[in-house]
Amino acid sequence: GEDVEQSLFLSVREGDSSVINCTYTDSSSTYLYWYKQEPGAGLQLLTYIFSNMDMKQDQRLTVLLNKKDKHLSLRIADTQTGDSAIYFCADRLSYNTDKLIFGTGTRLQVFP
Amino acid sequence: GAGVSQSPSNKVTEKGKDVELRCDPISGHTALYWYRQSLGQGLEFLIYFQGNSAPDKSGLPSDRFSAERTGGSVSTLTIQRTQQEDSAVYLCASSAGLGGVDTQYFGPGTRLTVL
Repeated sequence: GEDVEQSLFLSVREGDSSVINCTYTDSSSTYLYWYKQEPGAGLQLLTYIFSNMDMKQDQRLTVLLNKKDKHLSLRIADTQTGDSAIYFCADRLSYNTDKLIFGTGTRLQVFP
Repeated sequence: GAGVSQSPSNKVTEKGKDVELRCDPISGHTALYWYRQSLGQGLEFLIYFQGNSAPDKSGLPSDRFSAERTGGSVSTLTIQRTQQEDSAVYLCASSAGLGGVDTQYFGPGTRLTVL
């Protein structure tokens, strides 16, 4: 079946850039999403990218999509301690369903 | 309320007992999802309701798990004869289900502990 993979942990210094990577297996993805989960809370949508785009920028966030390699990344510029959270990438498989396949999540730790 | 709510926030139960977890989606959202989040396991899809269509139950791990959505709104996830491996955070989400980006909005989750 479809699969979405992420590395489990990332640790960065405050002020540096963070890059969180995601790979997926599905060939018919429509939208790909990044969700953020803060401790003790549910997930919140951070940003998304349509599958025919290569890049999307939203303030400190840059999403890169390499559809050939099925690789998605999220870059956070000037990472702050408030960015410490778990980041999930998610793949929407087709236009006919709202169902998402989530990755395992990457725990980002930002230290001073 | 404005967001997705879930109850209870925490549930401790004994092995073998049945539990019911409740989700109140955002008003007007036609799609509702249940996920399970276990330590180190990421987010596991359980079941998806969309309007009046038959639910997608492909993620339910065993026949001890079932879910209902009454009147197209509130949903209940039932776990029968709970086992220790059922311990996890159960997350509910809803979306407008209108195609396009279709953002899922998540509730805070129910933490289930099976002793």
